[in-house]
Amino acid sequence: GENVEQHPSTLSVQEGDSAVIKCTYSDSASNYFPWYKQELGKRPQLIIDIRSNVGEKKDQRIAVTLNKTAKHFSLHITETQPEDSAVYFCAAYSGYSTLTFGKGTMLLVSP
Amino acid sequence: SAVISQKPSRDICQRGTSLTIQCQVDSQVTMMFWYRQQPGQSLTLIATANQGSEATYESGFVIDKFPISRPNLTFSTLTVSNMSPEDSSIYLCSVVGGRRNEQFFGPGTRLTVL
Repeated sequence: GENVEQHPSTLSVQEGDSAVIKCTYSDSASNYFPWYKQELGKRPQLIIDIRSNVGEKKDQRIAVTLNKTAKHFSLHITETQPEDSAVYFCAAYSGYSTLTFGKGTMLLVSP
Repeated sequence: SAVISQKPSRDICQRGTSLTIQCQVDSQVTMMFWYRQQPGQSLTLIATANQGSEATYESGFVIDKFPISRPNLTFSTLTVSNMSPEDSSIYLCSVVGGRRNEQFFGPGTRLTVL
């Protein structure tokens, strides 16, 4: 089955800096890659996703890139703000079963 | 996106008892799932709730411990049976829906077993 590795497990940045979270996947048939943000005590919220027919997608301060050859995808957050502090999960979907999640990255943005 | 509600939002239970968690969606969805999230951990899929048939369980989860019902396309229940402190966790309902078939999560049920 699919295996998703996510790095780093924790990431501390200063407000205004950029943050990058990276994930790799194992199943070359995976074709959908969502990212979720989970604030403390709240549900995971879908913030951006990318499908395998594109290499990059951007939504305001967040962007996701996908390298199908290398089987990795990344979340980029620019001009970070304290409210970006949360746990971020990447996931991959191969179309055969269900989403496989990474272990999560705790992002801390210091003012 | 689909609006998902869960009841109860939290509960404290005694070991050996059972708790049934309800998940209600505001629109018909084809796929419904139940996840468990232990403190500081990722999301672990318990099972896929199938409408009109038995749920599909992931490795390590069995029907006797986590019976699931899905009587229609908007509602499902998960029961945590014969609870022990190790079952203390957050249980989340999740659905695939929306225009782009995205996956959304309910608010979760925080369960503490004493």
